Amino acid sequence: DTEVTQTPKHLVMGMTNKKSLKCEQHMGHRAMYWYKQKAKKPPELMFVYSYEKLSINESVPSRFSPECPNSSLLNLHLHALQPEDSALYLCASSQVIRRQVDRSGGYTFGSGTRLTVV
Amino acid sequence: ELKVEQNPLFLSMQEGKNYTIYCNYSTTSDRLYWYRQDPGKSLESLFVLLSNGAVKQEGRLMASLDTKARLSTLHITAAVHDLSATYFCAVVRRGSYGGSQGNLIFGKGTKLSVKP
Repeated sequence: DTEVTQTPKHLVMGMTNKKSLKCEQHMGHRAMYWYKQKAKKPPELMFVYSYEKLSINESVPSRFSPECPNSSLLNLHLHALQPEDSALYLCASSQVIRRQVDRSGGYTFGSGTRLTVV
Repeated sequence: ELKVEQNPLFLSMQEGKNYTIYCNYSTTSDRLYWYRQDPGKSLESLFVLLSNGAVKQEGRLMASLDTKARLSTLHITAAVHDLSATYFCAVVRRGSYGGSQGNLIFGKGTKLSVKP
């Protein structure tokens, strides 16, 4: 299995809702990432998990709450979002060797969740 | 702060023509990635360039890396309509202790349109 699976593919939520995005990989990758991509912009890093521990939080508002329950799963919990949070949310994974990202490999991206906040 | 600059940002080509997309980055890195993104879709990995002088080719696309100049190029040969997409280069940002934390920093992307 060489894929990163994200669910749901599309999500519409109100500003008072609580929802979660899910990401799963079975490639044995120990680094997982959340990226946010606005229309016609490049992806921007939100969070990095390495060995199930949060290693990078790019000053993301607390209404986004990541969780890595095990080495295969990554969640992004959403609460009290704003319309400007509407975007494509991409999950990615990569190998980690000796606490550094595998120099030989790349990053595998999921197909993304298209989030619309109304 | 690591900055990644691509140019051009928009490229309109005729089928059959050749062109090059450039990617400059501001700090030392020995790994560079090229991705393709179709509208509304996720990122498709094209090339991983791991060392100075690396050159990789796949079909009509060829990518190269010059780490001394901090420059990568994506060359398109005899463009066809199917190559129309947005192309991103990305560089890994090093961690505070010199190791790589694996944070991909993307250029703004080059929107390629190939017309008959």
